[in-house]
Amino acid sequence: ETGVTQTPRHLVMGMTNKKSLKCEQHLGHNAMYWYKQSAKKPLELMFVYNFKEQTENNSVPSRFSPECPNSSHLFLHLHTLQPEDSALYLCASSLFRVGGGETQYFGPGTRLLVL
Amino acid sequence: AQSVTQPDIHITVSEGASLELRCNYSYGATPYLFWYVQSPGQGLQLLLKYFSGDTLVQGIKGFEAEFKRSQSSFNLRKPSVHWSDAAEYFCAVGADAGGTSYGKLTFGQGTILTVHP
Repeated sequence: ETGVTQTPRHLVMGMTNKKSLKCEQHLGHNAMYWYKQSAKKPLELMFVYNFKEQTENNSVPSRFSPECPNSSHLFLHLHTLQPEDSALYLCASSLFRVGGGETQYFGPGTRLLVL
Repeated sequence: AQSVTQPDIHITVSEGASLELRCNYSYGATPYLFWYVQSPGQGLQLLLKYFSGDTLVQGIKGFEAEFKRSQSSFNLRKPSVHWSDAAEYFCAVGADAGGTSYGKLTFGQGTILTVHP
């Protein structure tokens, strides 16, 4: 496969469930991101990993727990979510470049519904 | 802090007509600017980007954008719209935080484009 892949594409879970979202990039990048896209709101950056180290946590509730075992894989572990967490969760990757300006490449997203 | 405004939430054009989607940004230095497109149920695809140099940038699918520093704008244009261009379009500005930047992007709210036959 090429580019950025995400699984599952769709997920329905109850508020007491525990689930995980997976992201994999095949672009040789070293930075990975999680975004949340809700209706009527701009994309919200959740987490950033550079070289497997978390460099940004944008005040995300602890019921979202990211994991980055290597530069190609990124997970988002979910537990005791709320209905307002229902959204499209997008993963992205980029090269890390001093000074910024890296282009981010996005996966197709996981559509999450919390009941 | 950087910010992006896309003033038009929804635009409707006829197939074959020209298109301009507006984007205004707020950033203290020279920005990195991007346009992405998102089809329903899909992720974001990069259309074009501006880092430096020529202020008129060409992208994929016949799109172009012009960086105007004096107006803090980066409007997206296409001379003739096709039905397949119907999608949501996002403008984004990238941070330059010096040696520690990790490429943080701030996105606008998006503009939904509807194309009539």
